[in-house]
Amino acid sequence: DAKTTQPNSMESNEEEPVHLPCNHSTISGTDYIHWYRQLPSQGPEYVIHGLTSNVNNRMASLAIAEDRKSSTLILHRATLRDAAVYYCILRDAGNYGQNFVFGPGTRLSVLP
Amino acid sequence: DTAVSQTPKYLVTQMGNDKSIKCEQNLGHDTMYWYKQDSKKFLKIMFSYNNKELIINETVPNRFSPKSPDKAHLNLHINSLELGDSAVYFCASSRGTSGGNTDTQYFGPGTRLTVL
Repeated sequence: DAKTTQPNSMESNEEEPVHLPCNHSTISGTDYIHWYRQLPSQGPEYVIHGLTSNVNNRMASLAIAEDRKSSTLILHRATLRDAAVYYCILRDAGNYGQNFVFGPGTRLSVLP
Repeated sequence: DTAVSQTPKYLVTQMGNDKSIKCEQNLGHDTMYWYKQDSKKFLKIMFSYNNKELIINETVPNRFSPKSPDKAHLNLHINSLELGDSAVYFCASSRGTSGGNTDTQYFGPGTRLTVL
């Protein structure tokens, strides 16, 4: 799996939008971009994924750069419950049933 | 109902002992995984099973042996426990090949293993 680069930590105020960046300059044409997050003392949970187009779901939005070398996870209104480590992961479309490679992720702190 | 469950949640044991961690998923998934998260919080794959067959075996000591009695269960047995085995172990499952390009992994709550 290709590597991703994320800031070690970020801070946000409650009820404000948060933009979590991820660089993946060596992404291949068949790599999907997945985001997971890990709340304190819990297992990771799926957030969102995309290939080329921007994606929205009930948890977040994913904005993908036109050249696909970077992406941004957007939390529209951060809550205290969103404090977690966020992982950006590349997954080969042909790599069915294979493991994810988790990097160190971005630790998001949400201030009340 | 919990989608992916692990038992026990906490495990404290002495060096040299043998212990097992159990994992069950009720999602009907074909693929199950074991990950290890060490004190530095890095999450690393250990094993992956698809339909009870081993498909990934990362560089893990032979003391670790996964067992999949059926598609819904993947247990992890550890022999001769060492201090360095202390970590949080996560089980996960996914649809695998049937999930296609959007295969999503569902993680259990983790088992915190402490070796004294």
